Amino acid sequence: IAGITQAPTSQILAAGRRMTLRCTQDMRHNAMYWYRQDLGLGLRLIHYSNTAGTTGKGEVPDGYSVSRANTDDFPLTLASAVPSQTSVYFCASSDSNTAGNGYTFGSGTRLTVV
Amino acid sequence: LAKTTQPISMDSYEGQEVNITCSHNNIATNDYITWYQQFPSQGPRFIIQGYKTKVTNEVASLFIPADRKSSTLSLPRVSLSDTAVYYCLVGDWSNYQLIWGAGTKLIIKP
Repeated sequence: IAGITQAPTSQILAAGRRMTLRCTQDMRHNAMYWYRQDLGLGLRLIHYSNTAGTTGKGEVPDGYSVSRANTDDFPLTLASAVPSQTSVYFCASSDSNTAGNGYTFGSGTRLTVV
Repeated sequence: LAKTTQPISMDSYEGQEVNITCSHNNIATNDYITWYQQFPSQGPRFIIQGYKTKVTNEVASLFIPADRKSSTLSLPRVSLSDTAVYYCLVGDWSNYQLIWGAGTKLIIKP
């Protein structure tokens, strides 16, 4: 089934540790995104990528980095995790050249920093 | 970026039609209106997108008045499985930085 795969599903991480959340899509979408969602709130954009080789900062980029070496993969790295990064992280993709399709989201990674 | 306003919560009963209205007074000429559905512990799911007038697909209809300052998502004959949070987003469909509000929590009762 075409879509987005995120890994891990959940993780408990010690503060100060480095962690990479993985995201892979098989739809050949040009644009990819990372969002975080905190309890009872909407999604906030962390970083995005218009196309392979380019990335941009979203609303809450501090403490996170991304790379886009190819079309399919868009990993999110926390260099030194802090408790405020406890959240559910969603990866998404879109074909920004075609209206009417919106974003496709992964199932999320639930991260707890202790 | 256009900001949206939606009711925080709504409830209805199985078999009823549910209408959720979203206000977006500062919508720009190039902006589309998109609705998503999110179940607990899942990522949002695209429902419908429109620019003006009415759009209908297999799950919902989207009504947009001529001034485009609001939109209404209509869910026909809801069931318990339609209980979810519904988000209204406004932006250029090629824009990567759409703003997500808190959404509308819809509860369907038996």
